[in-house]
Amino acid sequence: NAGVTQTPKFQVLKTGQSMTLQCAQDMNHEYMSWYRQDPGMGLRLIHYSVGAGITDQGEVPNGYNVSRSTTEDFPLRLLSAAPSQTSVYFCASSTGRVLGMGEKLFFGSGTQLSVL
Amino acid sequence: AQKVTQAQTEISVVEKEDVTLDCVYETRDTTYYLFWYKQPPSGELVFLIRRNSFDEQNEISGRYSWNFQKSTSSFNFTITASQVVDSAVYFCALTGSSASKIIFGSGTRLSIRP
Repeated sequence: NAGVTQTPKFQVLKTGQSMTLQCAQDMNHEYMSWYRQDPGMGLRLIHYSVGAGITDQGEVPNGYNVSRSTTEDFPLRLLSAAPSQTSVYFCASSTGRVLGMGEKLFFGSGTQLSVL
Repeated sequence: AQKVTQAQTEISVVEKEDVTLDCVYETRDTTYYLFWYKQPPSGELVFLIRRNSFDEQNEISGRYSWNFQKSTSSFNFTITASQVVDSAVYFCALTGSSASKIIFGSGTRLSIRP
């Protein structure tokens, strides 16, 4: 009954460091996405994927890379962390390849990232 | 372009009061879907309800009700007889019929005081 699993839950980085936020789902969902949540900004889409091998940019993709080699995993990579990337990151998945039939999102528990 | 506006940043009420969270949306799609998600203090977002653009019937689920009005592009959420456990951030969201993205509002933080 795992659903969407994100690791780590907390992370502190220094400016310029790189790291990967992990996201895995066990529901065989085609669609996976990454959001960042900042105060007063709601949830903003970083990148999304509609299936293995297919990724696309969201609203705020700069500074982040993704890949989708398997259906289950969708890691988010910060290549050179900046203080502006301090945020809470959420991974979410959904059943359809697109969201056009009103499919709901299943969210992970989030990763709180601080960049000093 | 699609947009979701939640003008109420924070709301604080005393337990057992009724409270309405406002959501106004913009879209050019004729077919679209509206959602409400709840983010309790634990942090994980939880789906509450989905409504498609062709169904304007109000929805009631226990103490929760939703009022969808296409004429005013609104999808408001009312909690009746609020309880402390209702304290959370609530997000309204929108997606179009051919979309690969869900657009979220900025959220309303609801605090229920005992």
